[in-house]
Amino acid sequence: QVQLQESGPGLVKPSQTLSLTCTVSGGSISSGGYYWSWIRQHPGKGLEWIGYIYYSGSTYYNPSLKSRVTISVDTSKNQFSLKLSSVTAADTAVYYCARAGLGTAALLVLDYWGQGTLVTVSS
Amino acid sequence: DIQLTQSPSFLSASVGDRVTITCRASQGISSYLAWYQQKPGKAPKLLIYAASTLQSGVPSRFSGSGSGTEFTLTISSLQPEDFATYYCQQRLTFGGGTKVEIK
Repeated sequence: QVQLQESGPGLVKPSQTLSLTCTVSGGSISSGGYYWSWIRQHPGKGLEWIGYIYYSGSTYYNPSLKSRVTISVDTSKNQFSLKLSSVTAADTAVYYCARAGLGTAALLVLDYWGQGTLVTVSS
Repeated sequence: DIQLTQSPSFLSASVGDRVTITCRASQGISSYLAWYQQKPGKAPKLLIYAASTLQSGVPSRFSGSGSGTEFTLTISSLQPEDFATYYCQQRLTFGGGTKVEIK
């Protein structure tokens, strides 16, 4: 059973960089076959893709966040990470890591999710 | 960019009711649509992908149908644990959600 767990600070000051890590257990990121993804949800709102990474390091970023987002992978630790720079209160949200499929019928279908972590941007 | 519009955004129903949620795409997306269930304070859970394929472990009272631009998620007999918010998704786009509450 694949499990994902987010970790990182729950409070970030405005203009600083939000940094989160997702640790994957029960499966290897380097085995391929999936995109490793970050999704966020503003309080009381819907879901928003931030981006994803393949084990090789290739990435996709949401164009609305692209200038501020970096997603990286550490296959030796079976982890992938999110950095979001120059944060404002508008970046306050629950951040989820998730596994997304590669196959045609399941492309970007999110079958395993972390529990989510609330990140608040405030001074 | 593809837009996904869910309707209704809110519905009130009773245990045992048949419930249908619609997701409309702004352009044809073949059968590339997934449905998720989210309960308060929890991560979304995959219910259906490829419009009608039930994810392993999901009860058979959930079903999905549709192709092209119009899709439906049906719960044949609503159970107490089904009161939640439901989202459709096509690749990088999510619908706005449908909250199912107890009447």
